[in-house]
Amino acid sequence: GAGVSQSPSNKVTEKGKDVELRCDPISGHTALYWYRQSLGQGLEFLIYFQGNSAPDKSGLPSDRFSAERTGGSVSTLTIQRTQQEDSAVYLCASSLQQFQAFGSGTRLTVV
Amino acid sequence: GQSLEQPSEVTAVEGAIVQINCTYQTSGFYGLSWYQQHDGGAPTFLSYNGLDGLEETGRFSSFLSRSDSYGYLLLQELQMKDSASYFCAVRGPLWWGGATNKLIFGTGTLLAVQP
Repeated sequence: GAGVSQSPSNKVTEKGKDVELRCDPISGHTALYWYRQSLGQGLEFLIYFQGNSAPDKSGLPSDRFSAERTGGSVSTLTIQRTQQEDSAVYLCASSLQQFQAFGSGTRLTVV
Repeated sequence: GQSLEQPSEVTAVEGAIVQINCTYQTSGFYGLSWYQQHDGGAPTFLSYNGLDGLEETGRFSSFLSRSDSYGYLLLQELQMKDSASYFCAVRGPLWWGGATNKLIFGTGTLLAVQP
């Protein structure tokens, strides 16, 4: 596609529910990243996929967070048993080389 | 661990020049990048320094000095549309854990351009 696409753009969920966030990277980009950005804060690295290599999960804050990337393209970030502190904007990015193209993010609100 | 520090806010007037600094406590990284993020929008890539020195892209320039653990973004001829948050980021090597191309972002600088 022309850019990185994320869905949904907004998600409101009740505490304790599971949520799935989707990312469609730019076609041909081999690397895909997930970040979390709380209000007025910087970007917190969550997880990174590069081709067929094992993903770098070093940024996932707890075992409630997981992500997968199917067929080297679309990725899904899953948050189980959501907590209020999970409320943030979740950004996906893809890249070929040193710079990353970001999606517009999913704003998650846990009530 | 790795950390990058930036001023939290900078204010400047239209037409002026502003410099946003980024100091870091890390080693072995491959390069320093800069991203712009308008309120509610996606971060967009501005500039990359793979080597020490100055890189110029139109009104924006970026500088890196590894010996000083320091870089900056220079914005010239400021326009109102430049009001945004600016983030520096370093790209990490294997010994950071995990694969390369992992980006660690700075704390971000909110630039307010006034008429």
